[in-house]
Amino acid sequence: QSALTQPASVSGSPGQSITISCTGTSSDVGGYNYVSWYQQHPGKAPKLMIYEVSNRPSGVSNRFSGSKSGNTASLTISGLQAEDEADYYCSSYTSSSTMFGGGTKLTVL
Amino acid sequence: QVQLVQSGAEVKKPGSSVKVSCKASGGTFSSYAISWVRQAPGQGLEWMGGIIPIFGTANYAQKFQGRVTITADESTSTAYMELSSLRSEDTAVYYCARDRLDIVVVPSYDPPDAFDIWGQGTMVTVSS
Repeated sequence: QSALTQPASVSGSPGQSITISCTGTSSDVGGYNYVSWYQQHPGKAPKLMIYEVSNRPSGVSNRFSGSKSGNTASLTISGLQAEDEADYYCSSYTSSSTMFGGGTKLTVL
Repeated sequence: QVQLVQSGAEVKKPGSSVKVSCKASGGTFSSYAISWVRQAPGQGLEWMGGIIPIFGTANYAQKFQGRVTITADESTSTAYMELSSLRSEDTAVYYCARDRLDIVVVPSYDPPDAFDIWGQGTMVTVSS
């Protein structure tokens, strides 16, 4: 199984919006509504930001939103803030397992 | 609030095995799936496998089949991940992570779903 495809890096200025894509296949992203997004700061454990495509856990800012179209899921961060600078990983359920994307480094300029 | 506390860093020789523990405190343990995810230095996340303690049966990623064993001890609320035949490429931070859903409350779902609680990570270094 290959990892889900994410852009290696994205950047934006404070206050702007950015979108990170996550492309899989009909066997994972396209086949299930179990796509999640994680934020990871250097040296820290990942933090769940979005689950089941578009749901936010309690405590996660509503500046984070998720969506899916076909085999591609997306994470949008609006009103970029300095603390949003981190690595972001998507994941998808597939046949009693899960796979992650390669990760995207978000730089806030 | 549930916390997952992992065992400390390990240094191992190539060909040996390592066993990492993950102890849950502050909440329900047995009916939540626990997965193990690793991250090599500078690399992305990789799911290795998982277990639902009340069922005791583990699922493994194809890549690790035959080399990883995931177990759980309900009496101590502790999950374990043992990786054998270690090689330098296994040098990584190993995380345990708990599924968001309680399988007793949502019996129809097939884990893993999403990981809402993570351990602090255990660094395993494989070096001769």
